[in-house]
Formats: sequence, structure tokens, C-alpha cells
Amino acid sequence: EADIYQTPRYLVIGTGKKITLECSQTMGHDKMYWYQQDPGMELHLIHYSYGVNSTEKGDLSSESTVSRIRTEHFPLTLESARPSHTSQYLCASSRTGGEYTQYFGPGTRLTVL
Amino acid sequence: AQSVTQLDSHVSVSEGTPVLLRCNYSSSYSPSLFWYVQHPNKGLQLLLKYTSAATLVKGINGFEAEFKKSETSFHLTKPSAHMSDAAEYFCVVSDVGYNDMRFGAGTRLTVKP
Repeated sequence: EADIYQTPRYLVIGTGKKITLECSQTMGHDKMYWYQQDPGMELHLIHYSYGVNSTEKGDLSSESTVSRIRTEHFPLTLESARPSHTSQYLCASSRTGGEYTQYFGPGTRLTVL
Repeated sequence: AQSVTQLDSHVSVSEGTPVLLRCNYSSSYSPSLFWYVQHPNKGLQLLLKYTSAATLVKGINGFEAEFKKSETSFHLTKPSAHMSDAAEYFCVVSDVGYNDMRFGAGTRLTVKP
């Protein structure tokens, strides 16, 4: 089983709160990703990173921001949460080149009231 | 640009009968193709992947998929369904760049006793 962790697993917060979703991996992977998934829907890439100090926006526009200060850590932040941010957020990581399969964390289910 | 279409949003089978989940892809290059499974409230787990080696790919839990270039298909099969197979299944295509994985909308597999 892949060693990629997400906390919290579930989060219910009020509108306007600042939140950070944590993602860490112990596999030494250079690439990391954040996906957003609404119930019963496909995954949409919102952010990715090639390595430390690298962050890129994905296909789906998102008001969230990410940082990559350490290889193993890729947190996602919402400065002011809104009900439209209610979704499941999945973090993944992969190697660079060669074996590039993405390994996923368990996800964070966010509900904004 | 690559894309993937999962032809069935929901498949229902009886325990012990074969499973067929259909996936067609579009790709400008030689694609890599993946099947992931997602159990309720869990992250995505890699079932199997095709990366230009053998066209018949065997995965975990008795699943396999066959890459058919002429039909641009990568259907997932299992000879005999088990209750624990009930989950959401995602077909994924990846072109060059590797960080760009396109997910299908998912197929929900229900297994009846």
C-alpha cells in the first residue's frame, strides 16, 4: 500500500474560515498532485508540483493555493472557504520518469456550511 | 489531447458472474492506460496499468484489461465477481508529460448476492 497520507479525513467548517488540507508522502516522489472530486463524478486536477518550489495550476480553476517547501509535503490552503468548495480533495504523488504511476491518499471530505 | 470515455455509468452483476467495465480512449501519442478502484470514503487504488508492454494486463484481485489499439479500447474484466468488488472504477489515460492524467467519469459496479 502506498504511503501517502491526508489529514484531516473529514472537515466541516463555516463559511469564511481559512483551512489547510495536509498531504504527505514518504516515497520520495518528486511529483505531487491535488484533485477535486464531487460525489459520483470524475476527478479534476487542480494543482500539481514537479518538486520543491514548483507549483502549477491544473485543468480545473480553483481558489485554493498550494506550496511545496519540502519534497514530502504538499499542503492545500483555502483562505476563505465557501459552500461551493464543498467536495472531496484527493492528493497523489508519482516519480519523475520511468515508473510514473500516481498513488493516491485516502482523501479529505470537506463540507463548508 | 487525450481523453477517456467510460461507456457505462453503472454496471450491476450477480456474485460469481463475469464483470465487464468498458473504456474507450483518445490519444495523440502512444498512451499509458490505467484502471483505478475507489471504495466508499477511500482514496483511489491502482488496479492495473498498460505502458506499451504486453497488451493483456493482469492486475490485483483477479482483474485484467486488454489494450486494443485498433478499437481504442481498454476494457476491464473479471471472470467472477465478488461482493467486495462493489466500488467505483475509473479508467485513466496519460500521454507524454505524465503529470497529465485524464480520468473517466467512473463506473459504479454493484454486485448482487
